[in-house]
Amino acid sequence: QQQVKQSPQSLIVQKGGISIINCAYENTAFDYFPWYQQFPGKGPALLIAIRPDVSEKKEGRFTISFNKSAKQFSLHIMDSQPGDSATYFCAAGDAGNMLTFGGGTRLMVKP
Amino acid sequence: KAGVTQTPRYLIKTRGQQVTLSCSPISGHRSVSWYQQTPGQGLQFLFEYFSETQRNKGNFPGRFSGRQFSNSRSEMNVSTLELGDSALYLCASSLFGGGRTDTQYFGPGTRLTVL
Repeated sequence: QQQVKQSPQSLIVQKGGISIINCAYENTAFDYFPWYQQFPGKGPALLIAIRPDVSEKKEGRFTISFNKSAKQFSLHIMDSQPGDSATYFCAAGDAGNMLTFGGGTRLMVKP
Repeated sequence: KAGVTQTPRYLIKTRGQQVTLSCSPISGHRSVSWYQQTPGQGLQFLFEYFSETQRNKGNFPGRFSGRQFSNSRSEMNVSTLELGDSALYLCASSLFGGGRTDTQYFGPGTRLTVL
């Protein structure tokens, strides 16, 4: 059972545009929502994370929006750059210290 | 500080064989988690070790096992390999145990191919 659903599977954005990736979860026990970025040949790296007590968190060009009632959260990448081309994973964590990952989104930013 | 290292980086095995993968966490980190990454299933949690004890386990068959040593280094073993075990196996370390408590840092992974 996929507990974290991520969309879209792939995304093409022009340089300077906004990239938006969405995730939805089912388990209300989740209380930690990180986003990971993975480049080819590398392991995932933490990009930004949010807890459900806030609705938005911004770090540079990256913003997480969180809607607790809808059980949805999203990643916005402003002013997308070719260097942002990577696979992005949302995840959800609970008190058991386990992370459940979404299926991933392959982002391509065209110059 | 050196990052998480995994050895070997690439491995080719045949069905029925067994394999052992190794992970060295970041110095001072006591928690090591293992994940399987495949195109079809994405990233799936295998198990987590903390202070030499398995603390969490994902939904994988008993062919998948692991252990952690006193220096926090961890090994993962897969016995009786099946074609479907072909994947990138990722190790992640954290101070106390990722998830909501602190950040997990991933290694580059071991690419296992089963023929």
